[in-house]
Amino acid sequence: DGGITQSPKYLFRKEGQNVTLSCEQNLNHDAMYWYRQDPGQGLRLIYYSQIVNDFQKGDIAEGYSVSREKKESFPLTVTSAQKNPTAFYLCASSFRGPQPQHFGDGTRLSIL
Amino acid sequence: GQQLNQSPQSMFIQEGEDVSMNCTSSSIFNTWLWYKQDPGEGPVLLIALYKAGELTSNGRLTAQFGITRKDSFLNISASIPSDVGIYFCAGQTPNAGNNRKLIWGLGTSLAVNP
Repeated sequence: DGGITQSPKYLFRKEGQNVTLSCEQNLNHDAMYWYRQDPGQGLRLIYYSQIVNDFQKGDIAEGYSVSREKKESFPLTVTSAQKNPTAFYLCASSFRGPQPQHFGDGTRLSIL
Repeated sequence: GQQLNQSPQSMFIQEGEDVSMNCTSSSIFNTWLWYKQDPGEGPVLLIALYKAGELTSNGRLTAQFGITRKDSFLNISASIPSDVGIYFCAGQTPNAGNNRKLIWGLGTSLAVNP
């Protein structure tokens, strides 16, 4: 089945560590997105990419980095500069043009 | 970033009741989307709306794109326990162009008493 796969489902980080969250899609979508979700705050956009080798900052990009070397993959690195990384992270993808975004099942990141 | 005004924030209803929730914006939108999120999972698209006045159904769900292009509502008829979850609206403004950024509401949390 086509879909968006996020891994791992749960991730724990020690203070000062960088961690990378994986997002892979086999929907042949051009655009991919990373959101952060905190209780009561809805979804906030971290980074997005419209095409391979290109990406833009969203509303809360500080402390995060991404790459888009392949159409299918859009990994997110949560760096040690992100002081409050505990959250639920969601990856999404869509075709270019007026098409809705479809989501993976998320990764929950916690700090040890 | 900009957010949509989504209401109510939460609802607690009896099984079998109808549900209505809405989103409003100070800006006009050319796309309205409604998603449902179950605990610990990603949002799932319920209905997509692309034209002012459009009324679209998906089973017991009905959504409308407001005629002013600044609002949208979602109705659920004859609620059942599996309707429990958080419902999000999201929209895109006309000046977004090829930028696929969405603007999100804060969600409506629905609880259904069997």
